[in-house]
Amino acid sequence: GIQVEQSPPDLILQEGANSTLRCNFSDSVNNLQWFHQNPWGQLINLFYIPSGTKQNGRLSATTVATERYSLLYISSSQTTDSGVYFCAVLGGGGSNYKLTFGKGTLLTVNP
Amino acid sequence: GAVVSQHPSWVICKSGTSVKIECRSLDFQATTMFWYRQFPKQSLMLMATSNEGSKATYEQGVEKDKFLINHASLTLSTLTVTSAHPEDSSFYICSATGPNLGYSPLHFGNGTRLTVT
Repeated sequence: GIQVEQSPPDLILQEGANSTLRCNFSDSVNNLQWFHQNPWGQLINLFYIPSGTKQNGRLSATTVATERYSLLYISSSQTTDSGVYFCAVLGGGGSNYKLTFGKGTLLTVNP
Repeated sequence: GAVVSQHPSWVICKSGTSVKIECRSLDFQATTMFWYRQFPKQSLMLMATSNEGSKATYEQGVEKDKFLINHASLTLSTLTVTSAHPEDSSFYICSATGPNLGYSPLHFGNGTRLTVT
């Protein structure tokens, strides 16, 4: 199956700093999503981004499908940004579609 | 739009009993649902994929007789953990998508935290 690698595994920032999270995947994919998992376990869908660039407030994401990676940018980080960020890719086809998650990046934003 | 409701949000049960978790798509027809399991400080691991009206496809290492999945309608899938044991304690989360799987995002329920005593 598709391998998904996220880096860095852990990241500690001071409030106001910017950061870049990376997601590499081993094969071509149909779609890619970035999620933020809050302390209660809820997965918040940040971006559906199989290719190109999208922005939503302080967050933006870029996926370069031909080079098999995606980046999530967080600008002017806030303490509420803390949590685990997951990249998930959908590969396969027909009845074999699977959404595979990376191991996540644990982000801690200190005041 | 695209709301997935999962119930219960948490459950505590005794060893040997069975627990049913429901996953509902509230405003779309979920032709495909995925069930995931997450242990503390780990990623989400796919357990099985279910398509409405057909048998679920289980990932390698997942016991189909222990984790019964039923996807009998376009809005409801259930996961039953049979004869639960403490090692089954985990966070279970479902995901649903419509017929455009592969071309649209997947939507997730809020998860069920299962504790087996």
